[in-house]
Amino acid sequence: EAGVAQSPRYKIIEKRQSVAFWCNPISGHATLYWYQQILGQGPKLLIQFQNNGVVDDSQLPKDRFSAERLKGVDSTLKIQPAKLEDSAVYLCASSERRMGNTIYFGEGSWLTVV
Amino acid sequence: AQSVTQLDSQVPVFEEAPVELRCNYSSSVSVYLFWYVQYPNQGLQLLLKYLSGSTLVKGINGFEAEFNKSQTSFHLRKPSVHISDTAEYFCAVSEGGSTLGRLYFGRGTQLTVWP
Repeated sequence: EAGVAQSPRYKIIEKRQSVAFWCNPISGHATLYWYQQILGQGPKLLIQFQNNGVVDDSQLPKDRFSAERLKGVDSTLKIQPAKLEDSAVYLCASSERRMGNTIYFGEGSWLTVV
Repeated sequence: AQSVTQLDSQVPVFEEAPVELRCNYSSSVSVYLFWYVQYPNQGLQLLLKYLSGSTLVKGINGFEAEFNKSQTSFHLRKPSVHISDTAEYFCAVSEGGSTLGRLYFGRGTQLTVWP
């Protein structure tokens, strides 16, 4: 079974530029998450989708971050304009919708803002 | 919101020695507990999880963890580590209700196994 796919794996941009990350979850997984992992810290949830609807985006900096999940399958996370503190790994994850479900993570998209 | 504390940021240990990585969480009515491992330049891989039932949970690669409700802890143990166990380990907690499935992570513990 294919895992969670993410691209690009690595990206270096200058501050104030924009960047987009793409994620394709495991087939059939209704729930999709975007996590931000800053070096030396645990992952922090940015946004959670249930099918194509947003369940939780309370931690998403909405002035610069946006995310969408069209058709309830793949998803895009965009940052515009980027700041130095956005340098992090952006992890996409997916799960089936049930209690105690395992969340499967992709390998992450590494962003460096210079 | 849940708070997860991993008490040790780094744990060095010699090969074949036992190891314990500690994790405490803030109390809640019902929680689900997870340990994930992250190897360099890779995503997170599930080691084990506690949903209900027996408080001793066995996972992959010889790891196990014990849920202690009174102490709100979920410590990870392995009786004999290998060099290949060198990685970052994250404890995570999820709750039911509207945040179904959302994971709250600790800051991680870097396990380094020396020959």
